[in-house]
Amino acid sequence: KQEVTQIPAALSVPEGENLVLNCSFTDSAIYNLQWFRQDPGKGLTSLLLIQSSQREQTSGRLNASLDKSSGRSTLYIAASQPGDSATYLCAVREDPDKLIFGTGTRLQVFP
Amino acid sequence: GAGVSQSPSNKVTEKGKDVELRCDPISGHTALYWYRQRLGQGLEFLIYFQGNSAPDKSGLPSDRFSAERTGESVSTLTIQRTQQEDSAVYLCASSLTPGPYEQYFGPGTRLTVT
Repeated sequence: KQEVTQIPAALSVPEGENLVLNCSFTDSAIYNLQWFRQDPGKGLTSLLLIQSSQREQTSGRLNASLDKSSGRSTLYIAASQPGDSATYLCAVREDPDKLIFGTGTRLQVFP
Repeated sequence: GAGVSQSPSNKVTEKGKDVELRCDPISGHTALYWYRQRLGQGLEFLIYFQGNSAPDKSGLPSDRFSAERTGESVSTLTIQRTQQEDSAVYLCASSLTPGPYEQYFGPGTRLTVT
């Protein structure tokens, strides 16, 4: 059974720091991996989608890498801002129909 | 265009009552998914619809849970005889087709069973 783990569970940093959020999964037979952010009272916003054949994806200050063989992904946030404060979730798709989610990293960026 | 919408945004119900949650997917998206997020836990897959095919119900936690979808439009998730353990945020997502495409999520329905 696929298990997805995210470390750390919570992170509090001053504005301007570069951050790395970690995601690990137990079964490397995945179709893709997706990073989301979740704001309180709101749904999930997709940040980056990495297909199993890809190594990384970039969008603005965000960079996500995927090492499928070792079952790891990292989300790098450059020059963090207070507006980045949210819960970050990673999810793997091992079945075409569903995502398996980690429990998330709760990030707070203070001014 | 409009995203995935869900209603109600919040629902408080008494233990033992039935509830219906609604999801309106993005127009043209053939795949629709329901997930549940209990406090302090990750999202759990519940059910998946693809067009007129039989739904994948493998994530439904008990026979008190059921869902319907008419064609490629609205879906309703019904929970019968609600229990306190059903308290959670129920999230709906849709994607253009199943497979490698992104899933777009609605804002969720927060269900509280008292």
